[in-house]
Amino acid sequence: GAVVSQHPSRVICKSGTSVKIECRSLDFQATTMFWYRQFPKQSLMLMATSNEGSKATYEQGVEKDKFLINHASLTLSTLTVTSAHPEDSSFYICSARGGGGEETQYFGPGTRLLVL
Amino acid sequence: SQQGEEDPQALSIQEGENATMNCSYKTSINNLQWYRQNSGRGLVHLILIRSNEREKHSGRLRVTLDTSKKSSSLLITASRAADTASYFCATAARGAGNMLTFGGGTRLMVKP
Repeated sequence: GAVVSQHPSRVICKSGTSVKIECRSLDFQATTMFWYRQFPKQSLMLMATSNEGSKATYEQGVEKDKFLINHASLTLSTLTVTSAHPEDSSFYICSARGGGGEETQYFGPGTRLLVL
Repeated sequence: SQQGEEDPQALSIQEGENATMNCSYKTSINNLQWYRQNSGRGLVHLILIRSNEREKHSGRLRVTLDTSKKSSSLLITASRAADTASYFCATAARGAGNMLTFGGGTRLMVKP
């Protein structure tokens, strides 16, 4: 199946710093990428949907100025957590989907963020 | 808000037994998908069932879909210790560009 990678897999940072997470589709062109957040023992919550070359669509309650998403190419989307705080500590997962009405999303391995 | 609700939230069985997990949803869907997640890892896509399908099989997995009841079930037969994981259903709602909404998940533990 299609492969999606995320980098870094784990990051620890100090409160107030910004963290960038990359999501790459390795063997297909992802016209749409999704960013999810998952707290311990909870389900995935969609944060935003990004289409290549256009602004991301954020879910209700997700601050677009805090979680900056850039989908500059068909194989790369980045999520930047700006001025991170301890409550932003979570597991961030991206997924990617090809074009043409593709039904399946391919998920990355996730990035664990710990803000001290 | 989450559309899917899964039942049970946790399930513990012995190796060799069958495990059944249920998922209910609220809106009309294009398809429903089941995923597996090992602790602290990413998601693995297991199976997709479309709204016009009633049952699908993949190896030891059997998925049913009842659109009249807005529910689905995932059956794992002859479970193995390696099946221990969290299982999530996700629905792709009509008119939402196949965007997925995840259920709360079932944590399955298979004891050797």
